[in-house]
Amino acid sequence: GAGVSQSPSNKVTEKGKDVELRCDPISGHTALYWYRQSLGQGLEFLIYFQGNSAPDKSGLPSDRFSAERTGGSVSTLTIQRTQQEDSAVYLCASSLATGSFGTQYFGPGTRLLVL
Amino acid sequence: QKEVEQDPGPLSVPEGAIVSLNCTYSNSAFQYFMWYRQYSRKGPELLMYTYSSGNKEDGRFTAQVDKSSKYISLFIRDSQPSDSATYLCATGRPYGNNRLAFGKGNQVVVIP
Repeated sequence: GAGVSQSPSNKVTEKGKDVELRCDPISGHTALYWYRQSLGQGLEFLIYFQGNSAPDKSGLPSDRFSAERTGGSVSTLTIQRTQQEDSAVYLCASSLATGSFGTQYFGPGTRLLVL
Repeated sequence: QKEVEQDPGPLSVPEGAIVSLNCTYSNSAFQYFMWYRQYSRKGPELLMYTYSSGNKEDGRFTAQVDKSSKYISLFIRDSQPSDSATYLCATGRPYGNNRLAFGKGNQVVVIP
């Protein structure tokens, strides 16, 4: 079946501009995660959605970052007034279950470059 | 102290060698342990997953967890050029948001 998809695959933007990154999770997966992978830093948790519950935003690095998930499926991560330090690969993952531990399946990522 | 420590140094081995990778973690609340493989310009894919101390084998891959010392390892036997990738260790808790804590990853190159 189809895996997690993300778009765009690459994004180049100028400092100060807003960007939107999209994630389509695996159909039926109720949990959705955003992570950021910076050079030499590993993956860093950003935000978590589970069903219709309020998202866990504890990993967002600043109030320039926000995310929403519409209809329990597609999610959009928005970065306002981008800075050069926002340059990274943004990865989305989805999983079938929480409570018990659900395996997270990752998308290919969006490579963001802020000039 | 980072939740998961993984020495990010690159590793080059000849084809057929055993690759040994390891991580340490700081929080005993972590109960799930994973190794992800990430090819260049791709997302991480789950390679091994375990929730108990001991060894778990899957073909040429063995994951080892020692909860008493908070140490996790991955061994790749008879390494192949197709194993060339970055390997990320990850841990998770069975409650809360189930977010994963990752190590920085090891880039492995298997030389034919």
